[in-house]
Amino acid sequence: EAEVAQSPRYKITEKSQAVAFWCDPISGHATLYWYRQILGQGPELLVQFQDESVVDDSQLPKDRFSAERLKGVDSTLKIQPAELGDSAMYLCASSLSGEQPQHFGDGTRLSIL
Amino acid sequence: KQEVTQIPAALSVPEGENLVLNCSFTDSAIYNLQWFRQDPGKGLTSLLLIQSSQREQTSGRLNASLDKSSGRSTLYIAASQPGDSATYLCAVRSATDSWGKLQFGAGTQVVVTP
Repeated sequence: EAEVAQSPRYKITEKSQAVAFWCDPISGHATLYWYRQILGQGPELLVQFQDESVVDDSQLPKDRFSAERLKGVDSTLKIQPAELGDSAMYLCASSLSGEQPQHFGDGTRLSIL
Repeated sequence: KQEVTQIPAALSVPEGENLVLNCSFTDSAIYNLQWFRQDPGKGLTSLLLIQSSQREQTSGRLNASLDKSSGRSTLYIAASQPGDSATYLCAVRSATDSWGKLQFGAGTQVVVTP
């Protein structure tokens, strides 16, 4: 079982609605990553945190996506409003530091109707 | 921009055969390369990590080689088993990236038939 916890595992929502994903990294891991994986493709980094600070959000669609890690522990990724093209697997990963291997959660499968 | 390619996209072999999975990358200035396994509907499990200074890394039936100058890595899985059926992804960390960002290939989907 993955040690990085994500919830929910599955989310079905309608276009234009808001949706939120939660991630609890491995205890003590300072670096947290959110990835989006479209079916048949590799994961793409959306945002990376070092403690509570964002260090890379260059691929995050900031007009509709937001991410926070207020206390430097767990993190929330939000989409508002959701679009059909947002249907994908959203993966969270954590590591001790940016130089250490990343450990992945089981992801949240999002389907937009 | 670093691009990572995995060919073939899918592979089917009978049980007992050796598997050879290929990964190529366009920029040889890498910090390390990592191979992951992904089961359907699941997250990624790290299999092997090769530092840029290494030529290969081994774990059990798995062996990964790295030729940085030619931009290639190969994952060998010896004596394949049905339990090896999964998607295998390679990911590269650029030497110029300060924060550990990984660039992934699209993966090779492997089916091992009994």
